Amino acid sequence: DTEVTQTPKHLVMGMTNKKSLKCEQHMGHRAMYWYKQKAKKPPELMFVYSYEKLSINESVPSRFSPECPNSSLLNLHLHALQPEDSALYLCASREVPTGRTYEQYFGPGTRLTVT
Amino acid sequence: ILNVEQSPQSLHVQEGDSTNFTCSFPSSNFYALHWYRWETAKSPEALFVMTLNGDEKKKGRISATLNTKEGYSYLYIKGSQPEDSATYLCARVGNQFYFGTGTSLTVIP
Repeated sequence: DTEVTQTPKHLVMGMTNKKSLKCEQHMGHRAMYWYKQKAKKPPELMFVYSYEKLSINESVPSRFSPECPNSSLLNLHLHALQPEDSALYLCASREVPTGRTYEQYFGPGTRLTVT
Repeated sequence: ILNVEQSPQSLHVQEGDSTNFTCSFPSSNFYALHWYRWETAKSPEALFVMTLNGDEKKKGRISATLNTKEGYSYLYIKGSQPEDSATYLCARVGNQFYFGTGTSLTVIP
């Protein structure tokens, strides 16, 4: 099973709402990633988890809160978002140790709209 | 920040035409370059992983070359088919993945 699943596919939320994005993989990958992608821009790295520990936080505002409850699951908790946070949020996983030939496996993304 | 650039941004070709596009990246401290194919509403899928200068990889009608000294990679599609329509992303691999903006290819039947 080389699939990374993400739920929900679409999410519309108000600026005062609290919601969560979920990502799951069963490939035994111990590195998991959150990316944000705006239209016509490259995916921007937000967070990296390695062995369920946060290893990279790319100066992401605290209204985004990642969580890795186990080796298969990755969550992104959202609170008090701004309309400019509307984007496609992609999850990816990868084998560790992260050799240069190891590709990332992506989910289909969650399209988030903040109203 | 590593600037990875892809050109053209978008491309429309007729079915049966061959096409190619470019990924440019800083050549210093090169580690690896990955190509991904991203169809609308689906997950990006890895096409090629390239590490050595002069690497050439092929998968069916799609092939890629790598020049690490001058910092570019070409992706070629021979005899384009409508199912090749997708965005093609390249990523330079360092301590993280640095993605380009992608080339959006539309193959017109």
